[in-house]
Amino acid sequence: GAGVSQSPSNKVTEKGKDVELRCDPISGHTALYWYRQSLGQGLEFLIYFQGNSAPDKSGLPSDRFSAERTGGSVSTLTIQRTQQEDSAVYLCASSYREGPYEAFFGQGTRLTVV
Amino acid sequence: SQQGEEDPQALSIQEGENATMNCSYKTSINNLQWYRQNSGRGLVHLILIRSNEREKHSGRLRVTLDTSKKSSSLLITASRAADTASYFCAFYSGAGSYQLTFGKGTKLSVIP
Repeated sequence: GAGVSQSPSNKVTEKGKDVELRCDPISGHTALYWYRQSLGQGLEFLIYFQGNSAPDKSGLPSDRFSAERTGGSVSTLTIQRTQQEDSAVYLCASSYREGPYEAFFGQGTRLTVV
Repeated sequence: SQQGEEDPQALSIQEGENATMNCSYKTSINNLQWYRQNSGRGLVHLILIRSNEREKHSGRLRVTLDTSKKSSSLLITASRAADTASYFCAFYSGAGSYQLTFGKGTKLSVIP
């Protein structure tokens, strides 16, 4: 595909359920980022992957959040035992590599926990 | 927090006027970028300025960077209604950090 693809676009889940959010980065991009954006707020960094290096997980808000990136391409963000405060838009971005390169964003997944 | 700060938080102008948004940061950076976000979804990259540059232009956009003051500004000239969006600065922090950090954004409204 031409751009970063995220699925699903929207997800409504019940409190306590687990959810998986998927990100397909642009082919050839080695850097991949996940961000969370609450309504009307800025972007909160969650996790960063670069090639085969250990991911930077410093932004994950709790141990209910985890992410993996398989084969250096597709990434999945998993939220276990969802809570209402997890409701937000989750954005994925990829770039050619870290450094002076622009990041390309997907359209995000809007997660609503009811 | 390494997060950048934009001001103003919101800006409302008439079509044809210029819009200026500012970004301040706290760490050393190797470059600073500006992004636009429509309707709370994906962000689009606008322009990148390197730490050794002071000013850069792209169409109706003009970006300045003052590393001594740890600040940047984005100027949109001759604004259009289609420029209505939220604008964010973003930067990679100092050596060894590959975290792309975003500011809190400026919400721009251009009134036709």
